[in-house]
Parts: sequence; C-alpha cells; structure tokens
Amino acid sequence: GAVVSQHPSWVICKSGTSVKIECRSLDFQATTMFWYRQFPKQSLMLMATSNEGSKATYEQGVEKDKFLINHASLTLSTLTVTSAHPEDSSFYICSAAGEGVAGADTQYFGPGTRLTVL
Amino acid sequence: GENVEQHPSTLSVQEGDSAVIKCTYSDSASNYFPWYKQELGKRPQLIIDIRSNVGEKKDQRIAVTLNKTAKHFSLHITETQPEDSAVYFCAASRGTGGYNKLIFGAGTRLAVHP
Repeated sequence: GAVVSQHPSWVICKSGTSVKIECRSLDFQATTMFWYRQFPKQSLMLMATSNEGSKATYEQGVEKDKFLINHASLTLSTLTVTSAHPEDSSFYICSAAGEGVAGADTQYFGPGTRLTVL
Repeated sequence: GENVEQHPSTLSVQEGDSAVIKCTYSDSASNYFPWYKQELGKRPQLIIDIRSNVGEKKDQRIAVTLNKTAKHFSLHITETQPEDSAVYFCAASRGTGGYNKLIFGAGTRLAVHP
C-alpha cells in the first residue's frame, strides 16, 4: 500500500512554455501533498504544501504565480510550471500523506519528474 | 528558521564495516525524525524513523538514536553491503510527520566498497 505515482517521469520543453506534472495517490486518500524540487547532488527543497480543496501554502522564495498547484481531489495534485526557463530544469518530487495508510503519520514519495527546459 | 545540518557529506567504508551519519536540528518543537535513502534518479525511500518519545529504534542492520536535549539524531548501519551505497537524508518535522512539512538535511553520499 501507500503508492504515489507521478506523470510524466521526464519532460523536455522549450523556454517559455508551461508544463504540468501530476501526482497521484493510488491506494489511499491524500489529504495533504507536498511538492519538492531537487537540483543535482543537492537535497530536497520544499516548494509548497497542498491540502485538498484549499489553496497551497508556498515556502519563502517560491513564486506562487510561476508554480501553480492544484489539489482538487483526494488522489490528485498538479504542479504547473508556467513560462518555464532553463533555470527551472530540475527533478520535481511530490509526496503525500493521508488516511487509510499504515503509518499515516509519514509521507510517501512519488518517483519524481525530471524537467529539462531548453 | 528551521534548519537541519547533516554530516558527513560523503562517507566511504569497506564492506562489512559500520557507517554513522549524524544530524542536528534547530527547531525544538520537532518530534518526528525520518531517514530516507535515495538512489540516483529515484524517489527517496523511508528506511527508518523515530519519534521524540523514543531514544533508540532498531530494524535489522539499521538503527537510529535520538538525543532531544542536544537536538541531534544519528543513523547507524552495521555490516554494510555494496547495495547500501546511496545518498541518505535525515529530516525533522513537527507534529506526527505525515501532515507536517519535512525539513531535510543536505544528504550524505555513502559508498560501500567490496
């Protein structure tokens, strides 16, 4: 149990375009989802916390108008990188927490999405 | 602000030796401390966690210790194997962990040589 998926696993796009990444909890209801960004050989940096049905809470320094987060259902959250630029190239990982999972007081991570902006 | 420091950044051991990674946190309200293992290009995987009401927890070759007074916790891996080679991250969180944000350490790259 406690499986989290992400789609796509990798994406290449041109500078100026927008990219949407999906994060799904497959076997539990995720009341809270988190979005992280990880640059090569660095740690996971939390971008925002998303609760189902409410607006996301962004970490300091993360532009909410550039990284749009929607958590419309208990199994799906999306991150849209708007007007992507090469400096947005990174590994984006989501995690989820929710009821109905053994050890619900921990986070389960998705496999990540590698974004490359040309 | 909240901060988690992790040492060392790299660790190289011979197969069969023990490995120890240490973390220090700044937020005294933290009470949940998970450790994650991440292989290249893959998701972080929870390997062990500890809560503030416990001083030590063990799972086969892996153990974690917590000193709340000193605000530090450590990961101990015994009888290391080449497949233990990966990047290990410690983290700290308030509350019970699942619904509260995790603050990650910088990571330790562990290399186990046959």
